[in-house]
Amino acid sequence: RKEVEQDPGPFNVPEGATVAFNCTYSNSASQSFFWYRQDCRKEPKLLMSVYSSGNEDGRFTAQLNRASQYISLLIRDSKLSDSATYLCVVSLNPPFAGGTSYGKLTFGQGTILTVHP
Amino acid sequence: GAGVSQSPSNKVTEKGKDVELRCDPISGHTALYWYRQSLGQGLEFLIYFQGNSAPDKSGLPSDRFSAERTGGSVSTLTIQRTQQEDSAVYLCATQTGDNDYGYTFGSGTRLTVV
Repeated sequence: RKEVEQDPGPFNVPEGATVAFNCTYSNSASQSFFWYRQDCRKEPKLLMSVYSSGNEDGRFTAQLNRASQYISLLIRDSKLSDSATYLCVVSLNPPFAGGTSYGKLTFGQGTILTVHP
Repeated sequence: GAGVSQSPSNKVTEKGKDVELRCDPISGHTALYWYRQSLGQGLEFLIYFQGNSAPDKSGLPSDRFSAERTGGSVSTLTIQRTQQEDSAVYLCATQTGDNDYGYTFGSGTRLTVV
């Protein structure tokens, strides 16, 4: 079983749609969770961290369910520019550990999103 | 520098040759990671540096792979006797060691072994 599993998609949605991505992780000791975005032939970039209480950044909402070891990302009012691969990422280290924290990240395979006019 | 710089951006090499990939991190970022991404695959961890030492090299796929970091700055990833399965994008990421969990990735080296 992969450490981080995502539905690879692709998801094809019209502009303005709401789309949700799901991710599960296998290691219950995981403590930090992120969504990264990767554009075609580009490097991944941090989209948002995921906190236990859930968090929102504009049109993006991330949720974490530790009991089910499940992470989600909701995108509302999709834009053409949202087209990308969305990577679910986990770490064994706690967030904001300070000092010389080791932040090895484990990446899911990614979910491809295409937003069309 | 302002960002993580990797070179070369593209490398085509013949099977059996050695290649060296370079990562020039953000100044002051103590932690440096190498990942690789094969076509259609997720990112695969290779090795982690804290300063010049590598406390975790568990992701290196074989003894043909090695990496070093000097002066707590530039890192090189060397692949000896390249094989076709080594073809991938090799990504370097750096991170400050203090209260900052975000990675900054370089744009990668696309390695093609023919």
